Amino acid sequence: DSGVTQTPKHLITATGQRVTLRCSPRSGDLSVYWYQQSLDQGLQFLIQYYNGEERAKGNILERFSAQQFPDLHSELNLSSLELGDSALYFCASSVGGQGGNTGELFFGEGSRLTVL
Amino acid sequence: GENVEQHPSTLSVQEGDSAVIKCTYSDSASNYFPWYKQELGKGPQLIIDIRSNVGEKKDQRIAVTLNKTAKHFSLHITETQPEDSAVYFCAASGGTALIFGKGTTLSVSS
Repeated sequence: DSGVTQTPKHLITATGQRVTLRCSPRSGDLSVYWYQQSLDQGLQFLIQYYNGEERAKGNILERFSAQQFPDLHSELNLSSLELGDSALYFCASSVGGQGGNTGELFFGEGSRLTVL
Repeated sequence: GENVEQHPSTLSVQEGDSAVIKCTYSDSASNYFPWYKQELGKGPQLIIDIRSNVGEKKDQRIAVTLNKTAKHFSLHITETQPEDSAVYFCAASGGTALIFGKGTTLSVSS
């Protein structure tokens, strides 16, 4: 058990809909990262938050947004869903991440999104 | 930004053989290179990492080597066992988020 909790584990929805994925980081970790895993693209970095502020942005679509709340949990919002958004979405957390290296990332078990 | 290439995408070995996975990175500012193992139905988990001031690091049956000049690093697993079967990811970071390679599916047959 990594200590990172993601909900829901599975989600099935239709094209055009909007979903919210939630992540609770390990106790004491200030950074939260979101990654998208699909079969042909591996682990794609989406976005990082450190202590409530956005720190780094990767290949995140404009239809996607995220935030980190004062209690450090994070939510990833996916809107106007398309078939191609079907993937496993991972949240990870780390102690560091403000500057310098991230150090070890601890991953949750992921949220599997299926868009029909 | 950083780009990480990983090869091979699949690797099949017999139990007891060695396995080698290779990665290259593009950003010369990267200085942290971890390897993650992902078992079926689980999130990736760190197995070993190396920083740019070190050329090689070992931990029991696994080792990682780094060539900063050539910008490539490799994972070596010796005496492979069936429980080593998993997807392995290399990654690189220069101060921001980790950028991962596309993964190598390792199958160890007994």
